[in-house]
Amino acid sequence: QVQLVQSGAEVKKPGSSVKVSCKASGGTFNNYIFSWVRQAPGQGLEWMGGVIPTSGRTNYAPRFKGRVTLIADESTSTAYMELSGLRSEDTAVYFCAGSIFRGVLLGAWNTFDIWGHGTMVTVSS
Amino acid sequence: QSALTQPPSASGSPGQSVTISCTGTRSDVGGYNYVSWYQQHPGKAPKLIIYEVTKRPSGVPDRFSGSKSGNTASLTVAGLQAEDEADYYCSSYAGYHNVGVFGTGTKVTVL
Repeated sequence: QVQLVQSGAEVKKPGSSVKVSCKASGGTFNNYIFSWVRQAPGQGLEWMGGVIPTSGRTNYAPRFKGRVTLIADESTSTAYMELSGLRSEDTAVYFCAGSIFRGVLLGAWNTFDIWGHGTMVTVSS
Repeated sequence: QSALTQPPSASGSPGQSVTISCTGTRSDVGGYNYVSWYQQHPGKAPKLIIYEVTKRPSGVPDRFSGSKSGNTASLTVAGLQAEDEADYYCSSYAGYHNVGVFGTGTKVTVL
């Protein structure tokens, strides 16, 4: 089974950008669709969007459109999430999550079979 | 998109059963059989325990079961064990924006 290893914690200034990586190992990268889910301290889970490695097609949650960019690099089996225009409310743990493609794309946006360990992003002046 | 509604907390004694509800609309839970459930222990990543309303991934005990009626999905944990104490989140495909949406989360306490 594929394992996901994420990059380390980040501290950023308001207005700046952050890029988090998620490297897959132990399986076939292209068998998965990768989403990013964040969790603010003491809060619930929030889906940000997903990317299909074989096509590069992306699907973003409306509230993140224009501010988040998701990329999947097949050559390095790595998914990336870049969030711009950071504000204090973006302080959260950011998880990458992989969905096995089961033949219908719809379920890929909420069915996450594997998860990275999470990356803490702190936005503070 | 609005989060799906879950009760903030639920509890039960070891060996008992607990059921958690997840209420949405006909545009998400009620309209599609793409409801998943996740278990999250403190400081850990979530773990998939139910997908497509009723299916269990390999390795998930059959004490965990899912169902759906109308716009409400449910997760039942039978024969509660100490290690079941965790936060549980539902998730559904939401067709109005072609997105995934999570529930508000339920903290399960084993008394």
